[in-house]
Amino acid sequence: LAKTTQPISMDSYEGQEVNITCSHNNIATNDYITWYQQFPSQGPRFIIQGYKTKVTNEVASLFIPADRKSSTLSLPRVSLSDTAVYYCLVGGINNDMRFGAGTRLTVKP
Amino acid sequence: ETGVTQSPTHLIKTRGQQVTLRCSSQSGHNTVSWYQQALGQGPQFIFQYYREEENGRGNFPPRFSGLQFPNYSSELNVNALELDDSALYLCASSLKTGTGQEKLFFGSGTQLSVL
Repeated sequence: LAKTTQPISMDSYEGQEVNITCSHNNIATNDYITWYQQFPSQGPRFIIQGYKTKVTNEVASLFIPADRKSSTLSLPRVSLSDTAVYYCLVGGINNDMRFGAGTRLTVKP
Repeated sequence: ETGVTQSPTHLIKTRGQQVTLRCSSQSGHNTVSWYQQALGQGPQFIFQYYREEENGRGNFPPRFSGLQFPNYSSELNVNALELDDSALYLCASSLKTGTGQEKLFFGSGTQLSVL
């Protein structure tokens, strides 16, 4: 299983774009990259998943360089409600979904 | 709203007792995973069930056991409870399709306190 490394915490202000980078140097050929968001006392919620290049949905974008050894979750124009812990997971078919410590994002007014 | 429901929401037990936690999967999903989350930490993988068979296990002792039923609902059983078992227990359902990394849909969890 690929090990992931993320910053422990980040601060931002309302309206700013936030980029959270995850390192996964030993990612395997068949591995995908998935990001989850978790609020206190709730289960994690799926945000976005990608394999290479760029993926965008209604809430975020995911940028994956050609070597796939890292990925960046981009949250456009964050609000106070985006304050949460964000987890990066790397794995493929039938891999255990193992979470790291995540990045605690605090959005300030 | 993920469609994954867990019961009970809160539970208080004493050391040495046994506990059973329950999870109803999202409709159409065939896989259930269980996680333990201590305060301030990321969810720790306990095990996964796929079509009623255990399909992977994390670093948890045998006193943590589980079941998946034909309707894909699931139970997590913990015997001989210890104080360190106090945590939020999360259930996630997913659909294994044979391609890509499956997306997990989590319930809100069961908060277990062991006194």
